[in-house]
Amino acid sequence: EAGVTQFPSHSVIEKGQTVTLRCDPISGHDNLYWYRRVMGKEIKFLLHFVKESKQDESGMPNNRFLAERTGGTYSTLKVQPAELEDSGVYFCASSRDRGGTGELFFGEGSRLTVL
Amino acid sequence: GQQLNQSPQSMFIQEGEDVSMNCTSSSIFNTWLWYKQDPGEGPVLLIALYKAGELTSNGRLTAQFGITRKDSFLNISASIPSDVGIYFCAGLLYNFNKFYFGSGTKLNVKP
Repeated sequence: EAGVTQFPSHSVIEKGQTVTLRCDPISGHDNLYWYRRVMGKEIKFLLHFVKESKQDESGMPNNRFLAERTGGTYSTLKVQPAELEDSGVYFCASSRDRGGTGELFFGEGSRLTVL
Repeated sequence: GQQLNQSPQSMFIQEGEDVSMNCTSSSIFNTWLWYKQDPGEGPVLLIALYKAGELTSNGRLTAQFGITRKDSFLNISASIPSDVGIYFCAGLLYNFNKFYFGSGTKLNVKP
């Protein structure tokens, strides 16, 4: 079974540019989560999809961030326009079961550097 | 948002030593998970705890779900060089459907 895959693994952009991160969850996992880790800080929740629906987007920093999961398969996270404080590692995770009854499987992360 | 206080922030130990790290919060959690992240990889689940007081082992790793449901600890016995990495605790907050993570404990093991 293929794991959670994320693309790109690393992106370096200038302030004001746009970046789109992609996540392919494990096949059959309805739950898809985006998290972000800034250096030395906690892994912070951004949002949660159940299939194509946004279940919880309370962690999204502001309206420069847009996440989509059309068709309930892969998801994209777009940052437009990027700011310096957006730098960090963006993790995607998926699970079969909701909440704490199932394991969260993480991708390798997409490292975003905004200059 | 909720905050999990994870300590220590980093540890430098000698191979063969035992290690202990913990997470505490002022909130009650239903589930505690412990993850390990190797460099360039995503976090991988080590141990999951679902009941207050539960003590679970996975090889040299032992974790406990605190009886108050507000804390958890992870012990690693007889550390080896491949234990190097960042360890994260994660808690599922009571009545919520998302995990909150600690800031990580970076473990360094000297051969």
